[in-house]
Amino acid sequence: AQTIHQWPVAEIKAVGSPLSLGCTIKGKSSPNLYWYWQATGGTLQQLFYSITVGQVESVVQLNLSASRPKDDQFILSTEKLLLSHSGFYLCAWSRDISAETLYFGSGTRLTVL
Amino acid sequence: AQSVTQPDARVTVSEGASLQLRCKYSYSGTPYLFWYVQYPRQGLQLLLKYYSGDPVVQGVNGFEAEFSKSNSSFHLRKASVHWSDSAVYFCVLGNTGNYKYVFGAGTRLKVIA
Repeated sequence: AQTIHQWPVAEIKAVGSPLSLGCTIKGKSSPNLYWYWQATGGTLQQLFYSITVGQVESVVQLNLSASRPKDDQFILSTEKLLLSHSGFYLCAWSRDISAETLYFGSGTRLTVL
Repeated sequence: AQSVTQPDARVTVSEGASLQLRCKYSYSGTPYLFWYVQYPRQGLQLLLKYYSGDPVVQGVNGFEAEFSKSNSSFHLRKASVHWSDSAVYFCVLGNTGNYKYVFGAGTRLKVIA
């Protein structure tokens, strides 16, 4: 069975500080990977997706970047956090076909002060 | 352009009553439609999905949804709700042309005794 693990579970960071969030998928080779952001009480906004190692496509510009250093790993980062980065970050995977079911991790809650 | 509209931000129903959550989509091609549920401080879980075929699809925990191409809708139904169904429900649109998924704003369901 496939599993998806996100880390950390929660972060409290200062404005202007760097950030790195991670996501690992086990049990599925060559998955499509996605990052979503959810404001408190809001809907999900797709940030990035990746269909292969080393290749990441940006969907929404939020002063964030993403990388896929390994087939099973997806990293979300920024060098300088903004207050507007606060929210819930969700990683998801799907089979390597578009429009397939998304399977979500349990998320990382980020608070920027 | 693709869009998903969930016109009801909040729905309250009594335990044991029937439920319908509405979803309208806008997309000129073949839609791939999903319903997800999010419990507090958790990731999203798939309830059901529609790709093609029978317009009524069955999901987990007694949920079903009906696709209507003429109405551009994909409404979610349940015959008898339980207090544990209280959560936020998202209607999601995918397509085979790209790897972007569009989420509705979500409907917060509260089941009361």
